This record gives sequence, structure tokens and C-alpha cells, in this order.
Amino acid sequence: EPEVTQTPSHQVTQMGQEVILRCVPISNHLYFYWYRQILGQKVEFLVSFYNNEISEKSEIFDDQFSVERPDGSNFTLKIRSTKLEDSAMYFCASSDTGGPLGAYNSPLHFGNGTRLTVT
Amino acid sequence: AQKITQTQPGMFVQEKEAVTLDCTYDTSDPSYGLFWYKQPSSGEMIFLIYQGSYDQQNATEGRYSLNFQKARKSANLVISASQLGDSAMYFCAMREGGNQFYFGTGTSLTVIP
Repeated sequence: EPEVTQTPSHQVTQMGQEVILRCVPISNHLYFYWYRQILGQKVEFLVSFYNNEISEKSEIFDDQFSVERPDGSNFTLKIRSTKLEDSAMYFCASSDTGGPLGAYNSPLHFGNGTRLTVT
Repeated sequence: AQKITQTQPGMFVQEKEAVTLDCTYDTSDPSYGLFWYKQPSSGEMIFLIYQGSYDQQNATEGRYSLNFQKARKSANLVISASQLGDSAMYFCAMREGGNQFYFGTGTSLTVIP
């Protein structure tokens, strides 16, 4: 079964450093997402991406964050200058269009996450 | 208002018993999907079951079923014959016509041997 893959599984970085989290969504999916989860708490939406542009973003997704789909397969999340409070599990997810019924019936498929620790 | 509400932060169930995890939602969109995800201690998010707003019958997937009560705007997850491996965090989520999924705060389920 196709799956979303994320690399690395763990990333430790120093405050102020830039990090890039990488994801390969399922190949025929068109919607891409980043979520984060702090210590098993709620799943927080960061950004959604469709048709090569950001379609929605949350208040968390400020100027320090950016996303890119550089080559038609990878989907990256960049944090320009990490802060201690950026420490979290970051999940990439993708979904398809849902066919003729529409996207609302299409589930998110998550990667296994990247655990980011900022020291 | 919260889009998805899960009022049970923690639940316990005896092995082999059934358990119901509550989820209520809020939307004015006639087209929406409701989803349940399982997150074991290893951290991955596993899709369990889906219910569409136009579906006439409750969704079932193996030991999982979704008790969909549209008028009450509830989409409770029922796990039958609980197993120790069912111990995990469970998240209810909703997708409307747009891109965004809304997640609840989760319910931690512990299965007692």
C-alpha cells in the first residue's frame, strides 16, 4: 500500500538554526499538509498546499515557516530560525481529490512524523 | 465554536469488552466527512474509519464502527472486543468542502487485561 514517507525521523537542532523537514506524499495525491503535535497533545494544523501553492495556513505558520514542492515528488517544510517552542512532532500528510463526490470524503494519510528537538 | 469536540480525555475498558469514544462536530456545510485516527505510543497516525455526511448507513471496518447521528451531530467510535493493542490515543476529525481537516483534542484509551 502506498504511504507517505518523512525524513528524518528525528532532528536535533540548536535555537536559531534553519531546519528542513522532508516528505514524499503518496504519488497520485494532490493535497498536501503539515501538522504538528507537541508531546502527544492535540494535532495542530500548520498549512495546506494544493496546485503548487498554499491554500490555507494557520496562525502558527508565520514568516519563519515556508513550504515548497521543489520537484513534483518532495514536499518540504522549512523553519528559518528555530525557537525552543518549535520542538514538536511534525507530520506530513496527503490526500486525494475524493473523486466525483468531492474532497470531503478523502482521508488524510499521514507519514510517521519527524520529531524535532530544538535545544 | 470548536469544530470537533471530544469530551473524554481518558477512557478505560476491560479487554474483550466494547467501548464508545465520543465525538461531536459543528458544521453548516451539508457535505462533510468524519474520520477517526489512532495514535499508538509509537506516534504514527493511523486512519481507522470514515463516515460521509450523505451516507445512510453507519460505517464499519472490522472491530470499528461509527455511530453516526446526524441530527445530534455526533460521530462516536465503537470498538468491539477490545484488545491490548487498542490502547492508544484516538482522534476524531472532520473535513468540509475545503482542504482543512479539523481535529479534536483526542481520547486516551487504556485497555485493561
